[in-house]
Amino acid sequence: DAGVTQSPTHLIKTRGQQVTLRCSPKSGHDTVSWYQQALGQGPQFIFQYYEEEERQRGNFPDRFSGHQFPNYSSELNVNALLLGDSALYLCASSSGWGDSPLHFGNGTRLTVT
Amino acid sequence: EDQVTQSPEALRLQEGESSSLNCSYTVSGLRGLFWYRQDPGKGPEFLFTLYSAGEEKEKERLKATLTKKESFLHITAPKPEDSATYLCAALGSARQLTFGSGTQLTVLP
Repeated sequence: DAGVTQSPTHLIKTRGQQVTLRCSPKSGHDTVSWYQQALGQGPQFIFQYYEEEERQRGNFPDRFSGHQFPNYSSELNVNALLLGDSALYLCASSSGWGDSPLHFGNGTRLTVT
Repeated sequence: EDQVTQSPEALRLQEGESSSLNCSYTVSGLRGLFWYRQDPGKGPEFLFTLYSAGEEKEKERLKATLTKKESFLHITAPKPEDSATYLCAALGSARQLTFGSGTQLTVLP
């Protein structure tokens, strides 16, 4: 049973560029959430998608946007990259839009130079 | 604003030396308190969910407990393979999961 898969695993971008990160949820899950984790910190909530709509959003600027596809996979897009966007980006999936625990992928390490 | 604070930031134990990790939370309308384990270079791995004060959950050498203000992760007779960062997260009425900064546990053989 495949867990949450994310691609790519590592990415290096230049300040001002745009990036797209991808996520496939665990089999049987239909809700996808994205988190940003800076070094030595806990994950911070970016947004959550359910039924192809953004349901919840954390305190992140509009440069961060996302999409969920009919097969429940998801993309995270970040425009106009800043040095401070360098972090581990984690995707998590769950079943339904409720209180069930999140299952995380191993993340995409984004470095902005 | 929901807040989760974990202590200590780092903990070094000898193999077999039991201890506890603390998670203090201020959350509007707690819907669940979650514990995760994170190994270097990996995503968090789900351990437990606690829903109400007084609830306890156990898994191998780990036991999680919950009060109205805190949760504790008790580690009994730890082994080196228990070394990891342990993250606590609270889900409030806003349905956004708020994480603490974690406790980095090192168990020495």
